[in-house]
Amino acid sequence: EPEVTQTPSHQVTQMGQEVILRCVPISNHLYFYWYRQILGQKVEFLVSFYNNEISEKSEIFDDQFSVERPDGSNFTLKIRSTKLEDSAMYFCASIPAGPNTEAFFGQGTRLTVV
Amino acid sequence: GQNIDQPTEMTATEGAIVQINCTYQTSGFNGLFWYQQHAGEAPTFLSYNVLDGLEEKGRFSSFLSRSKGYSYLLLKELQMKDSASYLCAVRASFQGGKLIFGQGTELSVKP
Repeated sequence: EPEVTQTPSHQVTQMGQEVILRCVPISNHLYFYWYRQILGQKVEFLVSFYNNEISEKSEIFDDQFSVERPDGSNFTLKIRSTKLEDSAMYFCASIPAGPNTEAFFGQGTRLTVV
Repeated sequence: GQNIDQPTEMTATEGAIVQINCTYQTSGFNGLFWYQQHAGEAPTFLSYNVLDGLEEKGRFSSFLSRSKGYSYLLLKELQMKDSASYLCAVRASFQGGKLIFGQGTELSVKP
């Protein structure tokens, strides 16, 4: 069964460093998302991406965040200068075409900022 | 604002039935989803409602009342492996729109 894959599964970085989280969505999907989940808290929307551009972003998704789909398969989230509060599980998700279909989530990247 | 409420924790016995409620207030509505999440893992899709009524899928059923902003997930014949967090999520806008999640209900199934 096709699945969304994310790398790395764990990332530890020093405060102020840049990190890139990588995702390979399911191949025929059209909508791509990043969500995050701080430990013990709810899943929060960061950004959605459709037709090679950002379609919506949350207040969390400020200037330190960016997304790219550089080669038609990978979908990346870059955090330019990490802060302690960026420590969280980051989930990539994708949705195929068609009305009212569910989001398929990757296994997540656990980011720890020290 | 967007608000989705569900109980924080529930406990039930193996073999029993449990109902997890969710109420929502969102600026729009384009479907309600239930996901299961085991600790440290990704959410996995359980069910979807966009019209009022009950959707049944094996041991899991989900109900929606749009006029009341209310849904529930019903789990029958509980098994120990059903111990997990159950997430209620609303798609408030267009096709492909983001999901807005509730806090999740941590279900513990006891023998």
